[in-house]
Amino acid sequence: DAGVTQSPTHLIKTRGQQVTLRCSPKSGHDTVSWYQQALGQGPQFIFQYYEEEERQRGNFPDRFSGHQFPNYSSELNVNALLLGDSALYLCASRGGLGYNEQFFGPGTRLTVL
Amino acid sequence: GQQVMQIPQYQHVQEGEDFTTYCNSSTTLSNIQWYKQRPGGHPVFLIQLVKSGEVKKQKRLTFQFGEAKKNSSLHITATQTTDVGTYFCAGGGNAGKSTFGDGTTLTVKP
Repeated sequence: DAGVTQSPTHLIKTRGQQVTLRCSPKSGHDTVSWYQQALGQGPQFIFQYYEEEERQRGNFPDRFSGHQFPNYSSELNVNALLLGDSALYLCASRGGLGYNEQFFGPGTRLTVL
Repeated sequence: GQQVMQIPQYQHVQEGEDFTTYCNSSTTLSNIQWYKQRPGGHPVFLIQLVKSGEVKKQKRLTFQFGEAKKNSSLHITATQTTDVGTYFCAGGGNAGKSTFGDGTTLTVKP
């Protein structure tokens, strides 16, 4: 049973560029959340997708957008990258909106130069 | 908005000593989860507490949820080197929008 997978593992971009990160949820899970984890801090909630719609959103600007596909996989897009966007981006899946146990993927380490 | 604070930020213990981390929320929580993140790894779910005053145990780990559902603690008895990592609490508000604390990083000296 595959857990949550994310790609790529690492990514280096320059300021102003755009990036797309990808996530496949754990088998049987239909709800995907994205988090940003800066060094030395806890994960910060970006948004959550369920049934291909954004259901909840944290305090992140519109430069952060996402998508969920019919197979429940998800993408996180960040436009106009800033140096402060450098972080570990974590995807987490759960069995549905009513489930709070989350399974995290290994993350994508984004470095913005 | 909801804020979750954890103390201490760091804890260094000798192997065999006990360890406790505390989590406090600015608002009443519907539930609280605890996660462990090893260096270079990702958060791994440990447990969820839902009921006021709830206490759950997992081997050497004891988790408590406060009566007012605004605080929680994780206690590890007789730490081992395998316990090293950062322990996060995450307060559940509306389903899915978990607010994480900044964690307590535990180091264990053999």
